[in-house]
Amino acid sequence: GDSVTQMEGPVTLSEEAFLTINCTYTATGYPSLFWYVQYPGEGLQLLLKATKADDKGSNKGFEATYRKETTSFHLEKGSVQVSDSAVYFCALSDRIGVQGAQKLVFGQGTRLTINP
Amino acid sequence: DTGVSQDPRHKITKRGQNVTFRCDPISEHNRLYWYRQTLGQGPEFLTYFQNEAQLEKSRLLSDRFSAERPKGSFSTLEIQRTEQGDSAMYLCASSLGSGLKREAFFGQGTRLTVV
Repeated sequence: GDSVTQMEGPVTLSEEAFLTINCTYTATGYPSLFWYVQYPGEGLQLLLKATKADDKGSNKGFEATYRKETTSFHLEKGSVQVSDSAVYFCALSDRIGVQGAQKLVFGQGTRLTINP
Repeated sequence: DTGVSQDPRHKITKRGQNVTFRCDPISEHNRLYWYRQTLGQGPEFLTYFQNEAQLEKSRLLSDRFSAERPKGSFSTLEIQRTEQGDSAMYLCASSLGSGLKREAFFGQGTRLTVV
């Protein structure tokens, strides 16, 4: 079945450092790709998404590009802040049923800690 | 509407007891999902409702688990005869409409601890 593999954490960086969290996927068909973020004590929030090959999703300074040739969707940010400390999940959409609904298949998550 | 809400936020129960969780989706959302997240892992899909109909169930949803969504509004997830392996965060999400591009909004989850 479809799967997502994320860079193992935890990742610890200093403020203003460059961030990359790797994500690769295995899927039949052409899924949409997502990055979700989970701050301590909170639910998952959609950070960004891309729905087709070569699309770039971006939000809050984070970016990720849907690379079909390498089946990757790596998350990047040029200058991280302490407030970016959270767990980041890469996910893909997998169609379920016949009515166009989707479920999300998640990677295992990467815990990011930014030190001042 | 402030988003997807789940109740309770935390539940501690003894092994063998039954527990029930509630999810209130965003009011106009017709699709509702349950996921389970164990420590250090990403969420895993459990089941999906479109309106009141349960249209998909994962193999993870054993016979001890049952979910309902009466009247297509709130949903409940019941676990009977809980086991220690059921300890996890149970997440609810909702979305609107058709197509693969509709965003799913997640609640804060119910953390279950079976002792």
